[in-house]
Amino acid sequence: GENVEQHPSTLSVQEGDSAVIKCTYSDSASNYFPWYKQELGKGPQLIIDIRSNVGEKKDQRIAVTLNKTAKHFSLHITETQPEDSAVYFCAARKFDRGSTLGRLYFGRGTQLTVWP
Amino acid sequence: DGGITQSPKYLFRKEGQNVTLSCEQNLNHDAMYWYRQDPGQGLRLIYYSQIVNDFQKGDIAEGYSVSREKKESFPLTVTSAQKNPTAFYLCASSRGFSGANVLTFGAGSRLTVL
Repeated sequence: GENVEQHPSTLSVQEGDSAVIKCTYSDSASNYFPWYKQELGKGPQLIIDIRSNVGEKKDQRIAVTLNKTAKHFSLHITETQPEDSAVYFCAARKFDRGSTLGRLYFGRGTQLTVWP
Repeated sequence: DGGITQSPKYLFRKEGQNVTLSCEQNLNHDAMYWYRQDPGQGLRLIYYSQIVNDFQKGDIAEGYSVSREKKESFPLTVTSAQKNPTAFYLCASSRGFSGANVLTFGAGSRLTVL
C-alpha cells in the first residue's frame, strides 16, 4: 500500500496569518496528491490537488507544493479567515497492482482553528 | 443538483444487530467507496466498487458487507461481526477509470452502538 503521514494534527493560527500543513508519502509510484477540507458534520470536499509532474499549484489563498525527491507535499493557506477552520486531509494516489482504479491513501488529518 | 445522499444521518444500534447504511448518487459515477472515520485515524477504506456487480475489499473490510446491484446505489451493511462499529461512515464516488480520481463525498452517517 502507501503510508501517508500528516503533520501537525492540530494547528491554531490568528486570523490573517498563514497556515502550513505537511504530508509525506512512502511510495514513489504515487502520482496524484489531493487535499480535502472537512467542515463539522459534513463530508470532505476537494480544495486543491497536484500531479507528480508539477511542483506547485495555486488557487487564490491556497497553494500546494510537491517535492518528489523527498516525497513530501504541503498545503499553504495565506491570509487565513475563521471560515478556514476545519479538518484538512492530504492523500496520495497509487494504482494497486492489476487495477485501473487508483486508490487514495489518506493522512490522519489536521484540525485547523483560525482565531478572529 | 448532482450529489451523494447518505441515510440515515444518525443511527443507533444494539449490540448483535446488523444495520444497513444507504448511499445513493446521481452523478453517473462508475466507482463508489465506503470509508470509516474515527477521531485521529483519518479515512480508512472499507470497500470499493468499480462497476455494477463488482466490488473489492479495502483495508478494514472485516465485519462489513456491500452490494452494487445498481450504478447509483452502494449500501453498506455493518454486521454483528464488526467488533467496534461505532464510527462516522462516509460514502464517496468518482468517475473511476479516467481523470484524477476526484472523490465526491456524502455528508456521512454516524453509527452508535449502545
